[in-house]
Amino acid sequence: DTEVTQTPKHLVMGMTNKKSLKCEQHMGHRAMYWYKQKAKKPPELMFVYSYEKLSINESVPSRFSPECPNSSLLNLHLHALQPEDSALYLCASSQDSGTAEKLFFGSGTQLSVL
Amino acid sequence: RKEVEQDPGPFNVPEGATVAFNCTYSNSASQSFFWYRQDCRKEPKLLMSVYSSGNEDGRVTAQLNRASQYISLLIRDSKLSDSATYLCVVTQGGFKTIFGAGTRLFVKA
Repeated sequence: DTEVTQTPKHLVMGMTNKKSLKCEQHMGHRAMYWYKQKAKKPPELMFVYSYEKLSINESVPSRFSPECPNSSLLNLHLHALQPEDSALYLCASSQDSGTAEKLFFGSGTQLSVL
Repeated sequence: RKEVEQDPGPFNVPEGATVAFNCTYSNSASQSFFWYRQDCRKEPKLLMSVYSSGNEDGRVTAQLNRASQYISLLIRDSKLSDSATYLCVVTQGGFKTIFGAGTRLFVKA
């Protein structure tokens, strides 16, 4: 069982909808990540938070808005998405020693944009 | 040239076979190296870290060759349950983590 919990597991939304993905971990990790994964492709890094501050934004479109309310929670707010944004969105966490360590992934949110 | 390259496979092997995966990376300043396993429709899970001295866990051995900039994974006595995609992962300092495209393995009865 994963120690990183993501909700919802599945999400279908229209291009005009606003929705949020949620991620929670209680391992005391201080680095949290959002990845996007298309079918038969590797995960692509979107955002990294370190000690609740945004550390990396991999030139992600502004229709994706991350938020880290505290050290255990990570959200991804979605607005005006496009069908090509349909993918598996994975949250991960790691110990924070200033560099990427072993990643622990949640089971992901399968997102479909209609 | 991709930063991390893997043979996408698929590798189709019978039970009991030994299978080897290789991965090459382009940035000589890369710092940490890992193999992850991803089952169909599941999240990636850490399989093992990779060191120059080698790392073995049961039937699985991983090795790093910094001079040649490649990483290997060896699975001995393959089981049906080893069928998955194996992802080579390289970190380059900070939180920059590069995933290889993954190698698909199918173990047949």
